Amino acid sequence: RKEVEQDPGPFNVPEGATVAFNCTYSNSASQSFFWYRQDCRKEPKLLMSVYSSGNEDGRFTAQLNRASQYISLLIRDSKLSDSATYLCVVNKGYSTLTFGKGTMLLVSP
Amino acid sequence: EPEVTQTPSHQVTQMGQEVILRCVPISNHLYFYWYRQILGQKVEFLVSFYNNEISEKSEIFDDQFSVERPDGSNFTLKIRSTKLEDSAMYFCASPSPAGTTDTQYFGPGTRLTVL
Repeated sequence: RKEVEQDPGPFNVPEGATVAFNCTYSNSASQSFFWYRQDCRKEPKLLMSVYSSGNEDGRFTAQLNRASQYISLLIRDSKLSDSATYLCVVNKGYSTLTFGKGTMLLVSP
Repeated sequence: EPEVTQTPSHQVTQMGQEVILRCVPISNHLYFYWYRQILGQKVEFLVSFYNNEISEKSEIFDDQFSVERPDGSNFTLKIRSTKLEDSAMYFCASPSPAGTTDTQYFGPGTRLTVL
């Protein structure tokens, strides 16, 4: 089983749509969870951390289910500028990050 | 967002040559990381560096790789004898400046092309 597994994508959605990304991780010792965004040939940029209680940042909502080892990201009212690859990332504490392969999102007019 | 800088932005080299990639991480932090991303693949961990020593390394980080802190603010990743399969984006990363989280911020990367 891959350490971090994501929907393969790509997701093609119209502007204004709601889109959900799913991610599972295999290492139950993982302590911290993140969603990063990566534009083509650019560095990963932190989008948001993910907490067990769930957290929201504007149009973005992240959820974590430790029992199922499952992480999600919901984007509401998609914008053209949301087009990017979304990376699910886990961390075993103050240590290395393990990345999923990413799910590409294409938002069209 | 805290700034991590890397140079050069693009490095082209011949197979078998040595390359040195440079990074200036977020200041006053003892932890530092290198990652790489082969085109079309996921970001992979190479090595972590804490307080002037390697703290963890992946199986990718073999004897041809080395990491150093030549002065107080710069870190380098050296590849001694490059291979075609070393062609990738190389990212350095620094934890949050607050030092209380394990969030990592990435530099813009160096694109290494081995011919």
